[in-house]
Amino acid sequence: DTGVSQNPRHKITKRGQNVTFRCDPISEHNRLYWYRQTLGQGPEFLTYFQNEAQLEKSRLLSDRFSAERPKGSFSTLEIQRTEQGDSAMYLCASSFRDRNNEQFFGPGTRLTVL
Amino acid sequence: KQEVTQIPAALSVPEGENLVLNCSFTDSAIYNLQWFRQDPGKGLTSLLLIQSSQREQTSGRLNASLDKSSGRSTLYIAASQPGDSATYLCAVRKGGTSYGKLTFGQGTILTVHP
Repeated sequence: DTGVSQNPRHKITKRGQNVTFRCDPISEHNRLYWYRQTLGQGPEFLTYFQNEAQLEKSRLLSDRFSAERPKGSFSTLEIQRTEQGDSAMYLCASSFRDRNNEQFFGPGTRLTVL
Repeated sequence: KQEVTQIPAALSVPEGENLVLNCSFTDSAIYNLQWFRQDPGKGLTSLLLIQSSQREQTSGRLNASLDKSSGRSTLYIAASQPGDSATYLCAVRKGGTSYGKLTFGQGTILTVHP
């Protein structure tokens, strides 16, 4: 499978716990994005990596959120001290700069904070 | 700030009907526009991408048009089938050095009944 993959697909946690999600982009894609989607809404941009550099972060990304992309390959999104408002679908997308920047999305990680 | 609106919010049609989904955006300085399909609890599947210099794109039974100056795009689905039932999202990429992040509408929930 050469598409974008995300793990885990589902995560249930208690309020206050830390969680980490992983995204593996399409191998030749140098751009990687994280979005968050709540029920009934369209996805909202969280952060963007070009290779290993994090070039943009949304104001939605509070201090409890951190994202990394070591060596420009896979990326992780960590949420510390989770709150019930963090419950959402976290989507990862990747693109190749020279191909119209068409973004391809992974299946998402559904987070439920109890 | 770019805002994207999709009308209608939900649409129910009998199988075989042709239909049009609408998307409008407030800032016409876009680089491109993408239409996506999302099945319940799943990630996004890219359907069509239209560059700002293009007027339309076609893929099978799908045709997307773009009127950049008026801030509008339409997705036309011909001869609808029950398998077309899903949420359809449009997203715009801002021109300039926006790093390619997408701004999404809230989606149109389409139900095609046999």
